[in-house]
Amino acid sequence: DVKVTQSSRYLVKRTGEKVFLECVQDMDHENMFWYRQDPGLGLRLIYFSYDVKMKEKGDIPEGYSVSREKKERFSLILESASTNQTSMYLCASRGLAGAESYNEQFFGPGTRLTVL
Amino acid sequence: QQPVQSPQAVILREGEDAVINCSSSKALYSVHWYRQKHGEAPVFLMILLKGGEQKGHEKISASFNEKKQQSSLYLTASQLSYSGTYFCGTDSGAGSYQLTFGKGTKLSVIP
Repeated sequence: DVKVTQSSRYLVKRTGEKVFLECVQDMDHENMFWYRQDPGLGLRLIYFSYDVKMKEKGDIPEGYSVSREKKERFSLILESASTNQTSMYLCASRGLAGAESYNEQFFGPGTRLTVL
Repeated sequence: QQPVQSPQAVILREGEDAVINCSSSKALYSVHWYRQKHGEAPVFLMILLKGGEQKGHEKISASFNEKKQQSSLYLTASQLSYSGTYFCGTDSGAGSYQLTFGKGTKLSVIP
């Protein structure tokens, strides 16, 4: 059973804290993504990575950074958490362009982050 | 730029049909449809590729009009299990890896 897992389902942090959200996929996918989901705004892309140590900014990268040291793991980092980063964070992975695994993007269960 | 989905929300009785539309201002290579149930991850329904055929999944099917950069999702004889939020994700191709998602359409099926 293919899977994308995220380290926490719920997380509560204080303003100014450094926050790490971890994502692991077991499908050997090259592409990994971080989205945030807010009511009425849909899924918005924060960052993505198409290979180890490679990263690209998405639509809303401000206030976030990412790390991909291993193919299966993609981390989202909030350097100094703020209340406006309270949201649901979804990780996803997708195979290589041209491969069958490119057609379907798999999502993790999400991490609901609350910043107080 | 996010594709535009319509309607934003729809309520159906079991057995009724619905259409959800997705429109983009950019030329598209493919359109992906996902369904997300409350508290769960989005789940892939189907992909429509440029030059491809209309797809179907049980009583859910979709079309892709490349010239208009539009896709429609058709849900026929709706069941309670169809409730959830439907997202379209668009891919402009040209070597891009990312999907850009619409804001979603909330579908509620009631007995």
